[in-house]
Amino acid sequence: AQSVTQLDSHVSVSEGTPVLLRCNYSSSYSPSLFWYVQHPNKGLQLLLKYTSAATLVKGINGFEAEFKKSETSFHLTKPSAHMSDAAEYFCVVSEQGGSEKLVFGKGTKLTVNP
Amino acid sequence: EAGVVQSPRYKIIEKKQPVAFWCNPISGHNTLYWYLQNLGQGPELLIRYENEEAVDDSQLPKDRFSAERLKGVDSTLKIQPAELGDSAVYLCASSPGTGAQETQYFGPGTRLLVL
Repeated sequence: AQSVTQLDSHVSVSEGTPVLLRCNYSSSYSPSLFWYVQHPNKGLQLLLKYTSAATLVKGINGFEAEFKKSETSFHLTKPSAHMSDAAEYFCVVSEQGGSEKLVFGKGTKLTVNP
Repeated sequence: EAGVVQSPRYKIIEKKQPVAFWCNPISGHNTLYWYLQNLGQGPELLIRYENEEAVDDSQLPKDRFSAERLKGVDSTLKIQPAELGDSAVYLCASSPGTGAQETQYFGPGTRLLVL
């Protein structure tokens, strides 16, 4: 079965500095990997997804993530944080050929300080 | 294009009472999901529909939870009777098809408080 570990429950950065949210996954099959963002009282929104094409994936709002099979990682980065990036971020895995259901990490809360 | 619609947005009930949540997926999306999100946790799948058929309900507590998707469009999730531990956010999502690579589109959720 697939699983996801988000290594930090909280990350705090200053506006204009880089963002790094870490995610490790486990999968017995070829994984699809996603990052979703959840703003307070809003629905989950897809930031980006990896589906076995390019290992560096670019998403919305300047975010990107790199799939590293050797490290079983899919870390989310952004060069310069904006106040509007403050939210909860979820790393998600599903298995092609496996159960195909989404399995969510516990989330990382990003705080952006002025 | 309208997103996934859920109602109500908030619900407060006393334990042992019944409660129902409604979801209208994005038009044309054949697959519909119900998730449970506890405080400080990621969502967990309760049930997945492909059109009218529940194809994965292995995580649905069938003693008190039930769901239906009549005509393959709207869906209702019911809890009867509710327990204190059911306090959580119930999310509905939809996708055009099925498969590990499909993007799921989420509604804003229904926040349930059981007193």
